[in-house]
Amino acid sequence: NAGVMQNPRHLVRRRGQEARLRCSPMKGHSHVYWYRQLPEEGLKFMVYLQKENIIDESGMPKERFSAEFPKEGPSILRIQQVVRGDSAAYFCASSSRGGVGPASNEKLFFGSGTQLSVL
Amino acid sequence: AQKVTQAQTEISVVEKEDVTLDCVYETRDTTYYLFWYKQPPSGELVFLIRRNSFDEQNEISGRYSWNFQKSTSSFNFTITASQVVDSAVYFCALSEAQTTSGTYKYIFGTGTRLKVLA
Repeated sequence: NAGVMQNPRHLVRRRGQEARLRCSPMKGHSHVYWYRQLPEEGLKFMVYLQKENIIDESGMPKERFSAEFPKEGPSILRIQQVVRGDSAAYFCASSSRGGVGPASNEKLFFGSGTQLSVL
Repeated sequence: AQKVTQAQTEISVVEKEDVTLDCVYETRDTTYYLFWYKQPPSGELVFLIRRNSFDEQNEISGRYSWNFQKSTSSFNFTITASQVVDSAVYFCALSEAQTTSGTYKYIFGTGTRLKVLA
């Protein structure tokens, strides 16, 4: 019963290259969240997606960053033309529904993260 | 707007001491959900507890206890008789419904790094 799977675990890119981070949610989960954790900082919300839909991307930088969650396959966080400031740990989390209503026991399940290092 | 404040950046205690991690939140909703997650040195975030806004009962789980007070918008976390294995970064989080989409977004605090010294 696999949890949230993120790969790669570590990713090294040179400035100007593209970074693609993958996240496979837990089985049965159709909601994916991406967070960024900068060194010595907390988790910053980036984007929330359902299958084939971006629900909330208010935390995504306007340029170079994009995310998708296709009908089939993992969710992808894509960073184009990476810069040193993009170096961070990127965490994906999933849930089975978008709400945590009183009748549910909903919570986020996190992956192990992808550590992106930009040289 | 939602906001979670963890004013303690780092706390160091000696093993067997009790320690309380503070969490203060802001929300406009009357229905919301609060969480604590633990991030050990391995990096993965581990769920500890979820609390609904309409349930102010405090909770105890082994050496862990949580004090939820709506009057002060706080959801503090206490570890009793701390152990070295408790050393980690602890995150408090808030979730409330987004009025436009009806879905929920989770907002995390900046975390408190706890160091338990042997």
